[in-house]
Amino acid sequence: GQSLEQPSEVTAVEGAIVQINCTYQTSGFYGLSWYQQHDGGAPTFLSYNALDGLEETGRFSSFLSRSDSYGYLLLQELQMKDSASYFCAVHARGATNKLIFGTGTLLAVQP
Amino acid sequence: DVKVTQSSRYLVKRTGEKVFLECVQDMDHENMFWYRQDPGLGLRLIYFSYDVKMKEKGDIPEGYSVSREKKERFSLILESASTNQTSMYLCASIGGNEQFFGPGTRLTVL
Repeated sequence: GQSLEQPSEVTAVEGAIVQINCTYQTSGFYGLSWYQQHDGGAPTFLSYNALDGLEETGRFSSFLSRSDSYGYLLLQELQMKDSASYFCAVHARGATNKLIFGTGTLLAVQP
Repeated sequence: DVKVTQSSRYLVKRTGEKVFLECVQDMDHENMFWYRQDPGLGLRLIYFSYDVKMKEKGDIPEGYSVSREKKERFSLILESASTNQTSMYLCASIGGNEQFFGPGTRLTVL
């Protein structure tokens, strides 16, 4: 079967660093993406990792270890506006780019 | 500015009605997707299409069908709406490795 696991909720304070983990089990793997979704909004793309290692985009970084079937999203210098749900998603089929999404992690940033 | 649009933000229908949800993208993307999102369940893939008139079932296709007559338009059809199809429906298209989502349609079936 195919499954992704990520924590359901994380709480952190403004200015802190938070890491959201994602472990996956899929029959095909082409890469791992992260999406952000604010309450009432549509998911928006944050990052994509196809190879092992860390990708940095401003305050956000994403890491992948293919051998461990594991990735994480790292958010630094947290701001209140980072309060949202974060989804990891596996690219399970290269040709059609079909994504399998995790159930999401609700991040609450407190003052 | 790239865009995926959906025909309605909110929709209320009665059990047994046939429901059409429309999605249009202006990015000339080959692949388009329909998801439903429910609390605690994340985004679940209903159907996707990788070309005009081509479609493939996702993880939860029961009770749904789709139509892709033109590249820019992907329609989701609920043949006979039921209360368990009350949900948020999200359409997306993909360019490279990035999925672009529409604003979603919150469907309530009474």
